Amino acid sequence: DTAVSQTPKYLVTQMGNDKSIKCEQNLGHDTMYWYKQDSKKFLKIMFSYNNKELIINETVPNRFSPKSPDKAHLNLHINSLELGDSAVYFCASSQEAGLLAGQYFGPGTRLTVT
Amino acid sequence: SQQGEEDPQALSIQEGENATMNCSYKTSINNLQWYRQNSGRGLVHLILIRSNEREKHSGRLRVTLDTSKKSSSLLITASRAADTASYFCATDGGNNRLAFGKGNQVVVIP
Repeated sequence: DTAVSQTPKYLVTQMGNDKSIKCEQNLGHDTMYWYKQDSKKFLKIMFSYNNKELIINETVPNRFSPKSPDKAHLNLHINSLELGDSAVYFCASSQEAGLLAGQYFGPGTRLTVT
Repeated sequence: SQQGEEDPQALSIQEGENATMNCSYKTSINNLQWYRQNSGRGLVHLILIRSNEREKHSGRLRVTLDTSKKSSSLLITASRAADTASYFCATDGGNNRLAFGKGNQVVVIP
């Protein structure tokens, strides 16, 4: 049973394209996150949703738009992709926004923009 | 914003040895967490230590927290080849987000 799943695992696309990454968690958690991990493995939060409501929106270009159709899903849509968007994107979830019990991460989506 | 910083960044040890890595942070925290990331995988939560705790154990893991020095250490005892991974500390500063450090690469040689 996969706790946090993401699709696709790999995504290669050209500059200027629009792409989406999907995330689902079957843990019954209330809070979901999107992180970006760069080539030096630095992990930075992008967005967080709690019960379908946006609670964290870091300084991310508005080309990135998260969507949470229900509390088990948090998708990430990226418009007009740029070379600098190449990274590994991780979805995560936690029981509550209070971060008292750790986060569960998906396997990651490696995005390569050419 | 606060950010955990692990030290050292790369560690190579023989199987059976202990591995210790440190993390420092800059502001007050509610808790500090350690995560492991195997190559090509997502992060896995290892252990959480609250700001009012000084030491915590979980299996072969031992975490210490010194809030006066704003630092934490993760000790892996009797290391195994399967412990080869990157280890990240992350701090919860009470703003609903974790701030991750840069990560320590640990290689355990069989």
